Amino acid sequence: TQLLEQSPQFLSIQEGENLTVYCNSSSVFSSLQWYRQEPGEGPVLLVTVVTGGEVKKLKRLTFQFGDARKDSSLHITAAQPGDTGLYLCAGEKSSSNTGKLIFGQGTTLQVKP
Amino acid sequence: GAGVSQSPSNKVTEKGKDVELRCDPISGHTALYWYRQSLGQGLEFLIYFQGNSAPDKSGLPSDRFSAERTGGSVSTLTIQRTQQEDSAVYLCASSLAVNRVYTEAFFGQGTRLTVV
Repeated sequence: TQLLEQSPQFLSIQEGENLTVYCNSSSVFSSLQWYRQEPGEGPVLLVTVVTGGEVKKLKRLTFQFGDARKDSSLHITAAQPGDTGLYLCAGEKSSSNTGKLIFGQGTTLQVKP
Repeated sequence: GAGVSQSPSNKVTEKGKDVELRCDPISGHTALYWYRQSLGQGLEFLIYFQGNSAPDKSGLPSDRFSAERTGGSVSTLTIQRTQQEDSAVYLCASSLAVNRVYTEAFFGQGTRLTVV
């Protein structure tokens, strides 16, 4: 059973379209992070959200942490081919005292020109 | 360099041979992770080291897999009697897990292992 469920797993869209990726759990997390991985590279951190209900914007990317801190979403406006990659959510459970990050299985995004 | 360094970047080995993969984390980072990633897939957790605590080995797929972290720094992932299904990219990450709210993980470039 995956502790962090991401959906959709695969997404192929045209340039200019909007999209949302979801990261859901039945557990409460002290923080949630989003990473992007491009082919041949390791994942790179995009953002960390900490407070329930928090919204952060990074250019065309909007990240939201659920009020109950059990879920998060990533919304991309007017997607571009450069947004293509694997998007991963990750978090630390509130009940954890080890600092261990748990990763979702990822969402593969392909933006066609 | 200032980032996480993994070596080798590519490794081709014959089925049945042992391999060692190395990870140099960011200096001062107390936590170190190993993940495995098959082509086009997400991250499969293998093992987690945090300071002097006993490592979390819950993700190791079989007893052919083991990892050590010497002196709280460099880590080596060893795969014994490699099988073709072990072929994947092995990613290492480190983080400063002192402030538990911001446990950002920094990843290396990975080691691409091919078992032939």
